[in-house]
Amino acid sequence: EDQVTQSPEALRLQEGESSSLNCSYTVSGLRGLFWYRQDPGKGPEFLFTLYSAGEEKEKERLKATLTKKESFLHITAPKPEDSATYLCAVQNLFQGAQKLVFGQGTRLTINP
Amino acid sequence: NAGVTQTPKFRILKIGQSMTLQCTQDMNHNYMYWYRQDPGMGLKLIYYSVGAGITDKGEVPNGYNVSRSTTEDFPLRLELAAPSQTSVYFCASSYSLGSGYEQYFGPGTRLTVT
Repeated sequence: EDQVTQSPEALRLQEGESSSLNCSYTVSGLRGLFWYRQDPGKGPEFLFTLYSAGEEKEKERLKATLTKKESFLHITAPKPEDSATYLCAVQNLFQGAQKLVFGQGTRLTINP
Repeated sequence: NAGVTQTPKFRILKIGQSMTLQCTQDMNHNYMYWYRQDPGMGLKLIYYSVGAGITDKGEVPNGYNVSRSTTEDFPLRLELAAPSQTSVYFCASSYSLGSGYEQYFGPGTRLTVT
């Protein structure tokens, strides 16, 4: 059974204080690992897809990396507007319909 | 493009009532999905569809039904609502030829069953 575990559950940082969020996964074959951002009361917003170990993707202050067992979302010099819940999900290569299995999310708060 | 739209945004149901959550996408995506999200939990897949006329169960299908008569629409039906169905429901869609595998989500429907 595919599983995704995110840590920490919640993280509070000061503006400008860099940190990383972790996503550990087990899957029989990885088609892709996805990062989403979710603001309160809204649907998840797609950020990145990573397909193979060693791959990195960047967007503004966010950088996502992937190994064979986990992914990290690095946040550099965050701003208050980066406050959100960040969700990680995996897609199994051997399952049809591109279904996603989600972690429970990390709630990130950036204090000014 | 409006993307994925959902109606209603909020709804309160009494135990035993029924309702349909509407979902429409205008991206010509083949695949569509329904998830529920409970507080502090990840999204759980209820049902999905790989194209018009084809649907299948996800992880938590009990108490729900779906249909897909067109590429654009994927309504979710709740029959005999129960308090355990209090949740936020998200519709998503993915994949058209030449695109990636990411799913795009609607804004959600917050449902309370009392």
